[in-house]
Formats: sequence, C-alpha cells, structure tokens
Amino acid sequence: SAVISQKPSRDICQRGTSLTIQCQVDSQVTMMFWYRQQPGQSLTLIATANQGSEATYESGFVIDKFPISRPNLTFSTLTVSNMSPEDSSIYLCSVESGSNYGYTFGSGTRLTVV
Amino acid sequence: RKEVEQDPGPFNVPEGATVAFNCTYSNSASQSFFWYRQDCRKEPKLLMSVYSSGNEDGRFTAQLNRASQYISLLIRDSKLSDSATYLCVCLTGANNLFFGTGTRLTVIP
Repeated sequence: SAVISQKPSRDICQRGTSLTIQCQVDSQVTMMFWYRQQPGQSLTLIATANQGSEATYESGFVIDKFPISRPNLTFSTLTVSNMSPEDSSIYLCSVESGSNYGYTFGSGTRLTVV
Repeated sequence: RKEVEQDPGPFNVPEGATVAFNCTYSNSASQSFFWYRQDCRKEPKLLMSVYSSGNEDGRFTAQLNRASQYISLLIRDSKLSDSATYLCVCLTGANNLFFGTGTRLTVIP
C-alpha cells in the first residue's frame, strides 16, 4: 500500500493565523482525501483533492476556510485559514490503497489553536 | 441518524478473553466495509476488509450481515497489544467513506 508522509505532526497556533499541512505520497494517486477528527468523534471528510481541478468540498466545509492545492499526483496541501479554537483537531490526509484494501492515512497533524 | 454506529465502549477485558464488536450502517447501498485500528494519537490503520462470506485473519474474524446491515469483529485470545480503538468503516459510492466513532478496547493483564 501507499506510504504517506504528512507534516507537521503537530502545531500550536494563534487564532486568526493560518496553517498549511502537507502530504507527500510515494506513488501517483488520482485522488487524495482530507479528513478532520475532533476529540471523541469519528473522521469527517473535508474535501477530495483531484490533480488538475478544484477540490470537491463536503457539506459544511468551504474553500475559503480550507483551501487545498494539488500540484501533482503525489502531493497535496490543506490550509486551515483564519483559525479559531474550534479548529483544534487532528487533520489527516488519505489515499486509496486499492479495491478492498481500504485507504491509507497520513500520520496526522494535531492542531491546537489558542 | 448516523451513517455508521458503534458502541463506543470502553470494553475492558482480561488477556486471553474473546471480545466482539458490532457496528450498524444505515445505507443499504454501501458496498465495501472495513475495520480499522487506531492507537492513541496515531492515524487509523487498516485491520481487515469485511466480506459477505466472512473472513478470518489469525485471531480476528469479521462478519457482514447485509440483511440486517451490521458488521462484526471478533477478537480471540486477546493480547495486551490489542488495546486500541476499533473503527467500523463503510464505503458508499465512489470514495464516500463513513466512519463510526470507534469502540475502545483495553486488554488488562
């Protein structure tokens, strides 16, 4: 299955600032997925990043708040903009591992907004 | 109603015990199912896919009941290293993954 390198692993940020999270995959993938996992909650899909087109956002998530880049088939970034304490969460990227092989996740970015 | 529902636990079991987790899903169109394991402060990792015929991987057995829309995971001879949160995951359509909130398991010496 794919190997994903995600960074930063954690950060503490001031409210009103922005943080960009990066994910690098060791193979070319069509789609990359960005999730949020709030404490005690299940993973929630933020958006799907396709190379060469705009990301597709899920209900409740907007591009202005979570801009995504996908410059090539192995890399993507998610920016959390104008952060507030409510954005404190774990953010994870993911790619498909192949039919019936599930999905592989990056190691996550633990964000705390103060 | 949530897409995927799990008993959050916690399940505290002694070493060597057998423990079972159940999960229900609401969308009958879901076509693929998985159990993931998530250790504290780590990313989810695929434990096993779940097939209609049921499947076994060592001490782990997964079952799918499409008629009742539930998925189960059985762990036999529990080890201390099995302590983790187990996530039930359903795939609906193209890349629409729905996660349960997870069931926390603690295996006690």
